[in-house]
Amino acid sequence: AQKITQTQPGMFVQEKEAVTLDCTYDTSDPSYGLFWYKQPSSGEMIFLIYQGSYDQQNATEGRYSLNFQKARKSANLVISASQLGDSAMYFCAMSLSGTYKYIFGTGTRLKVLA
Amino acid sequence: EAQVTQNPRYLITVTGKKLTVTCSQNMNHEYMSWYRQDPGLGLRQIYYSMNVEVTDKGDVPEGYKVSRKEKRNFPLILESPSPNQTSLYFCASSLGGAQGETQYFGPGTRLLVL
Repeated sequence: AQKITQTQPGMFVQEKEAVTLDCTYDTSDPSYGLFWYKQPSSGEMIFLIYQGSYDQQNATEGRYSLNFQKARKSANLVISASQLGDSAMYFCAMSLSGTYKYIFGTGTRLKVLA
Repeated sequence: EAQVTQNPRYLITVTGKKLTVTCSQNMNHEYMSWYRQDPGLGLRQIYYSMNVEVTDKGDVPEGYKVSRKEKRNFPLILESPSPNQTSLYFCASSLGGAQGETQYFGPGTRLLVL
């Protein structure tokens, strides 16, 4: 069954430190996409980063990088130099090319401490 | 400004009273989708549409209907709402729904069914 698992319901990180949010996925499709979204307390969904299943390099977008380990089926989000504004809920998601479906994980709530 | 709009943003209704949540995008996107977000469950896809008159079920379609008569609009219909449909609803769109395409989310509609 296709599934996204985020095992960390909540995390704390000190301001200016790096933090890794875990995401594992399960699919038998050879072609898929992996996304991370941020949801601040205001509720909107903000796209952060994307990784395609055939991409050789790990995706990076500013302070965000995606640690893609295909054999382990993991797509962890790394946030470098955390800022107070990074405090939010983070969702990992997978798109399946064959069905146009999207599957989200249950989310990780990150709190950045001053 | 490129955006996805949803109306209403907040709605309180009673069991059995039909309601429609509208969704509109101004980006000429082919792919549109509805999600519900519940605590501890993340986002779950309700229905999606690959183009006008083409829709398909997501993971939790029971109790919902959709239609796609125009490219820009994708309303979500609850024919007979029940309390278990109390949730935060998001509409999203993307260019074509392929695996690498980022979804743009609306601001969300918070629904309470009494």
